[in-house]
Amino acid sequence: DTGVSQDPRHKITKRGQNVTFRCDPISEHNRLYWYRQTLGQGPEFLTYFQNEAQLEKSRLLSDRFSAERPKGSFSTLEIQRTEQGDSAMYLCASSSGTARSPLHFGNGTRLTVT
Amino acid sequence: AQKVTQAQTEISVVEKEDVTLDCVYETRDTTYYLFWYKQPPSGELVFLIRRNSFDEQNEISGRYSWNFQKSTSSFNFTITASQVVDSAVYFCALSEAGNYGQNFVFGPGTRLSVLP
Repeated sequence: DTGVSQDPRHKITKRGQNVTFRCDPISEHNRLYWYRQTLGQGPEFLTYFQNEAQLEKSRLLSDRFSAERPKGSFSTLEIQRTEQGDSAMYLCASSSGTARSPLHFGNGTRLTVT
Repeated sequence: AQKVTQAQTEISVVEKEDVTLDCVYETRDTTYYLFWYKQPPSGELVFLIRRNSFDEQNEISGRYSWNFQKSTSSFNFTITASQVVDSAVYFCALSEAGNYGQNFVFGPGTRLSVLP
């Protein structure tokens, strides 16, 4: 069990550019979640996958955001035409897929849009 | 709808003091799970404890204990004999069984500072 890993740890981009983040979950976990966290706030749910199927998306997730988990393993989160309001920590978590299963988080990707 | 409230934004204590972090939740589900997470300055959210809605027995694990009261929808977390390493932001979270745990809802967090 190597834990959840996210790449990159930090990303600085200019407004209007596209960015992509990667998450590798714990290998035996079938659920993968993306959350966003801004300073002083708790994590906000963005979307989650059961294996390769994206089962729920938050209304927070505008159409500039897209997430994939093509083979039910790693996942990518892409933000197109970034805006300054997208600056946040993007957290990935995985779980074994029941309501009682705790989420196991990665270290996050901190995005700064200038 | 699910909701988690942590009324304490920041708490400061001196090392070795006991400290209790408050959490109040809202849910319509009859079966749900409550969690506490710790986020140290390094940033990674670390799972601490879980409690299910059908077992109100309170427990102690080392320096951690928790008080779950369904009647008041509260799930408070106590650190006994606090240490400087306990300084972190603590989040309470709720997962509903009827929602198949589709998304965890987190509270806004309580920043705990333990001073030497």
